[in-house]
Formats: sequence, structure tokens, C-alpha cells
Amino acid sequence: QSALTQPASVSGSPGQSITISCTGTSSDVGDYNYVSWYQHHPGKAPKLMIYEVSNRPSGVSTRFSGSKSGNTASLTISGLQAEDEANYYCSSYTSSSHVLFGGGTKLTVL
Amino acid sequence: QVQLVQSGAEVKKPGSSVKVSCKASGGTFSSNTISWVRQAPGQGLEWMGYIIPVFATPNYAQKFQGRVTITADESTSTAYMELSSLRSEDTAVYYCARGPYSGTYYGWFDPWGQGTLVTVSS
Repeated sequence: QSALTQPASVSGSPGQSITISCTGTSSDVGDYNYVSWYQHHPGKAPKLMIYEVSNRPSGVSTRFSGSKSGNTASLTISGLQAEDEANYYCSSYTSSSHVLFGGGTKLTVL
Repeated sequence: QVQLVQSGAEVKKPGSSVKVSCKASGGTFSSNTISWVRQAPGQGLEWMGYIIPVFATPNYAQKFQGRVTITADESTSTAYMELSSLRSEDTAVYYCARGPYSGTYYGWFDPWGQGTLVTVSS
């Protein structure tokens, strides 16, 4: 199975909102509400930001939100802050009972 | 607060095997899942497989079938990932991560271990 499709990079200025898309197929993103998003700063462990499409774990800022339409999931970060600069990965449960990750998106805060 | 602590960095020769450990503390071990994910230099995250310790049943990504073995020791709350027939392309940081299980593998991970760098070089 191919990785989920994410834009390689996105950027925004402090205070702005950005959205990262994650496109899969009807065998993964489109068929299951088990899409999650991770923030990854180089050299650190990935951090869960959103699970099951739109749920935020305790302690994650309300500036982070998730949604899904058809085969595409999205992560929106509002009120961009400098510390949001990181790599973001989506993942989805698949019909093979496996997990697929996206290729990752580098977020730059200008 | 669950914490996952992984074993230290390894340097291995091509063709050999590596076994990485992941010890859980501060929470329930057996009734959750432990998954393994790796990141090669300059690449994205890649899911390798998982185990449900209470059932000791692993599930592996197709790509690693036949080369990876994931096990768990409930008595020490430790999971292991062994990768054999190592090649240079297996050079990566290997992460373990906990996930929920209630009859379904949800495929999301929290928390993650700190990562273990495995370098394959002659």
C-alpha cells in the first residue's frame, strides 16, 4: 500500500490558520474514522495531536482541530505560534488491519 | 502517566539481527497495544507492526513479514522488536508506541518511546 498523500510543506505567519490535507483511499481514510495526526520535532518523539479524526488528547491546545470528508482528512492549526513549527504526519487504520502514515508535511512559521 | 523507555543505540553489520526493547511504566501494559514505527534518515514515519500483550498476537506490515518479530513480556511490561537480515536501508530510528485496545486496533499511538537509533554498516 502507498503512503497517504500530504503536501510536502505549508507555511503561515504567526496568528494565521493553516490546513494540512491527508488523502487516502476508500480502503483507509474513506472507510474508517481512525485517522490520527502527529507533531514531530526533529530529534524528539512524535506527539499525538488528534485521534479518531477529530478528538484532541488531554493537554493538546484547542488551536488544533481535525476533520474528514470522503477520502481526505485535514488538520487545521489556528492562531499559529512559533512552537508549532514541526513536521506533521497523518495516519489511518486500513482494511488490512494495518496502519498507513502520510509522507509528512513540514510546517514553517514565517 | 505512562512512559515508554527504549534500549540504547545499536550498530550492526549487514546480515545480522537487532533486538530493541521498550519498557512501559506507570500504566496498564497487557490490555493495550504496543506498535513499532521507524523513521529512516530524511524519510517519513513507517509502521512496522504491533502486538497485544495479553493475547501475545503480533500483526506485521507486509513489507517486514518474515524479517520482523514483535514480542511482549507481561511480567516485566516490556515489548521487543527484532529485525533480522539487516541491510543498510534498515538504518533508522525505531520507536515503540502504546495504543488503546478494546476489541479493535485503532491504530493511533500515545505515548511514544524516545526512539532507538539502529545503524547498519559494514
